[in-house]
Amino acid sequence: GAVVSQHPSRVICKSGTSVKIECRSLDFQATTMFWYRQFPKQSLMLMATSNEGSKATYEQGVEKDKFLINHASLTLSTLTVTSAHPEDSSFYICSAVSGAKGEAFFGQGTRLTVV
Amino acid sequence: GQQLNQSPQSMFIQEGEDVSMNCTSSSIFNTWLWYKQDPGEGPVLLIALYKAGELTSNGRLTAQFGITRKDSFLNISASIPSDVGIYFCAGHDYKLSFGAGTTVTVRA
Repeated sequence: GAVVSQHPSRVICKSGTSVKIECRSLDFQATTMFWYRQFPKQSLMLMATSNEGSKATYEQGVEKDKFLINHASLTLSTLTVTSAHPEDSSFYICSAVSGAKGEAFFGQGTRLTVV
Repeated sequence: GQQLNQSPQSMFIQEGEDVSMNCTSSSIFNTWLWYKQDPGEGPVLLIALYKAGELTSNGRLTAQFGITRKDSFLNISASIPSDVGIYFCAGHDYKLSFGAGTTVTVRA
């Protein structure tokens, strides 16, 4: 299957700082990537849809000014958690859809801890 | 995305047993996907289904796309310890919707 690489896998930051997470499709081009948040023992919650060359589409209840998404190329999307607070601590996962059949491939996830 | 009903929520199984889980939706999907997620990692695609009625196998895994396009099941035959994890179904129309997951724990 297609490969999606997410970096970093783990990050610890201080309250009030910003953290950037990268999501790359390594062997295919992705015009659309998705960002999810996952709490322990729960399913994936879609935060936003990242569209190459245009603004991201955010799900209801997700603050666009807090979770900045940039999709500057067909292989890279970034999620920046701005002014992070402890309640932002979570597992963040990106995915990209390869081909017309809608198969989504996921990155390895990023464990964010805000202290 | 749309909410999928996935069951069971969790299961304990004996090594060697067969496992079955399913997902239902009130809406039609064009594609059904099954993923497995290990702790601390992203979900990995197991099986993708594209047509109503389609039955697809991947090793010990078998999944079917329901004829109504509103449901799918996943079977794992002869379970082994490495089958432990959380299994998610996902339905795709214009975006991906996930079930709540089925946590599988194997008793050795």
